[in-house]
Amino acid sequence: AQSVTQLGSHVSVSEGALVLLRCNYSSSVPPYLFWYVQYPNQGLQLLLKYTSAATLVKGINGFEAEFKKSETSFHLTKPSAHMSDAAEYFCAVSVTNTGNQFYFGTGTSLTVIP
Amino acid sequence: GAGVSQTPSNKVTEKGKYVELRCDPISGHTALYWYRQSLGQGPEFLIYFQGTGAADDSGLPNDRFFAVRPEGSVSTLKIQRTERGDSAVYLCASSPLDRTEAFFGQGTRLTVV
Repeated sequence: AQSVTQLGSHVSVSEGALVLLRCNYSSSVPPYLFWYVQYPNQGLQLLLKYTSAATLVKGINGFEAEFKKSETSFHLTKPSAHMSDAAEYFCAVSVTNTGNQFYFGTGTSLTVIP
Repeated sequence: GAGVSQTPSNKVTEKGKYVELRCDPISGHTALYWYRQSLGQGPEFLIYFQGTGAADDSGLPNDRFFAVRPEGSVSTLKIQRTERGDSAVYLCASSPLDRTEAFFGQGTRLTVV
């Protein structure tokens, strides 16, 4: 079975500090991995994705994530937090042998403290 | 349109009533997904279409929920005999055949009173 675990339902960082949001996945086959961001009362927007190319993936708004197969992780980072980064972040996995569903984690709410 | 369109954006209905939620995917996307998102939770998979057929409906919670995509484009999620526990945001997404990204609509916020 495929699943995604996001450690930490709430993360607070100071403006300008490093952002680290954790995601671990479970998959019996090589997965595609995604990070989505959701602002209040809006839909999900793709931040970045890993689709079996480079393991270090750069996304929008200065975010990046590294696929580590040995750790089954896909943590999201940003060197310097901005107030506008405050939102809900979801990690997701997609695998071909399950009908191409996208499985989502429970989300991490990021608060940026001025 | 440029993105996934969902209508209505908000729906308030009385317990026991029937509702239909519509999703208009991105043109050319063969895959369409319905998800349900409760407050403070991640999107929960409901059903996945590849073309006109439901390739996976294992996420539908019970037989009150049904979805169709008769022409392989627009999809309708139908909920019969609504219950207060059905209140949530219903998200629709579409993706190209290579499933390299799911594009989400803004969602329909369903409130059952």
